[in-house]
Amino acid sequence: DADVTQTPRNRITKTGKRIMLECSQTKGHDRMYWYRQDPGLGLRLIYYSFDVKDINKGEISDGYSVSRQAQAKFSLSLESAIPNQTALYFCATSDLGTDPTDTQYFGPGTRLTVL
Amino acid sequence: AQSVTQLDSHVSVSEGTPVLLRCNYSSSYSPSLFWYVQHPNKGLQLLLKYTSAATLVKGINGFEAEFKKSETSFHLTKPSAHMSDAAEYFCVVSERRNTGFQKLVFGTGTRLLVSP
Repeated sequence: DADVTQTPRNRITKTGKRIMLECSQTKGHDRMYWYRQDPGLGLRLIYYSFDVKDINKGEISDGYSVSRQAQAKFSLSLESAIPNQTALYFCATSDLGTDPTDTQYFGPGTRLTVL
Repeated sequence: AQSVTQLDSHVSVSEGTPVLLRCNYSSSYSPSLFWYVQHPNKGLQLLLKYTSAATLVKGINGFEAEFKKSETSFHLTKPSAHMSDAAEYFCVVSERRNTGFQKLVFGTGTRLLVSP
């Protein structure tokens, strides 16, 4: 969805490096999410945020941190990247206030490779 | 806990023939169910969703799915496949927590291959 953008789209880095993935949205949604996708495993939730002051861990938050700089921006950081963090990372947004189904809309993804 | 099983990891069809992608779910509550599609090097796009209204749900690009509670199924169908339908499809069930958070549980995906 073009309303949700992610940068960079591809990144190759080395073990031990600090990496930040950024997500921006123009949908005006309150809620934002970070997922990772691994082959054969579907998507798994890393962190989610209901608003700027409300950030929560998902099912696989170890090794990751996040920052909600504004309603429209949600960044994911890998403080010290390791090879098993090689994956496709997706940002998503939703807005319960305007959509009772709280449907999530996804960005195009960031492919991260840790050597 | 919610869970989703996509019964086929790969489905191959010829262009112009029907598509059936199978999904079974497990839920302790009345679930919301979604199908998302992922084209190569693209993000996930919402195809359709069921949220306790009509059991037959129509989505984009001619896809539809039927919620069958007795069979705990939510299979995705399309009458006639196009080459552009080749992609990976994810069945997703949601679990709404008391906090208001809707946790999505993803299936492992079905790759649809369409041959000329």
